[in-house]
Amino acid sequence: RKEVEQDPGPFNVPEGATVAFNCTYSNSASQSFFWYRQDCRKEPKLLMSVYSSGNEDGRFTAQLNRASQYISLLIRDSKLSDSATYLCVIDTGRRALTFGSGTRLQVQP
Amino acid sequence: DAGVIQSPRHEVTEMGQEVTLRCKPISGHNSLFWYRQTMMRGLELLIYFNNNVPIDDSGMPEDRFSAKMPNASFSTLKIQPSEPRDSAVYFCASSLGAGGHNEQFFGPGTRLTVL
Repeated sequence: RKEVEQDPGPFNVPEGATVAFNCTYSNSASQSFFWYRQDCRKEPKLLMSVYSSGNEDGRFTAQLNRASQYISLLIRDSKLSDSATYLCVIDTGRRALTFGSGTRLQVQP
Repeated sequence: DAGVIQSPRHEVTEMGQEVTLRCKPISGHNSLFWYRQTMMRGLELLIYFNNNVPIDDSGMPEDRFSAKMPNASFSTLKIQPSEPRDSAVYFCASSLGAGGHNEQFFGPGTRLTVL
């Protein structure tokens, strides 16, 4: 099993839709969880951290499920500008964070 | 404040040539990371420095790759000799704190093409 696993997509959704991505991880002792966003031909940027109790930032909600070892990202009322690749980032017991390979989202008009 | 600065932004070279990529981390950050990104393999950590000392270089693919951090504000990644399979985008990132588990700030990347 990969340390961090994501569905590569693409997820093609219409504007205004709600879309959710999951990311599974293999190390039950992981403590740090993030979602990063990467636009085409750009660098990854932090979207939000993921806290045990779940957290929300505007249209974005991140949740952690320790029992099933996954994190999720929910985007409500999708905008065209949300089109990007979403990377889940987790500490997997190594000395630095491990990045997932990303889930591509394409929001269509 | 300036973010992470990388140079060059694009590099095209021929197989066998030496390539040097440069990175200036955000001032005050004491952790620095070099990554390589390709379509096939995604984002791979090559090496991680903390306080200028290499902490984890297990991701460095082979002896052709070397990285240095002579001071807190500068790091290089060198490939010698370069091969076509080294073609990728190379990112440098920095973060605050001693551990490798804090938020990382990425530079714009160097797009390397080896012919």
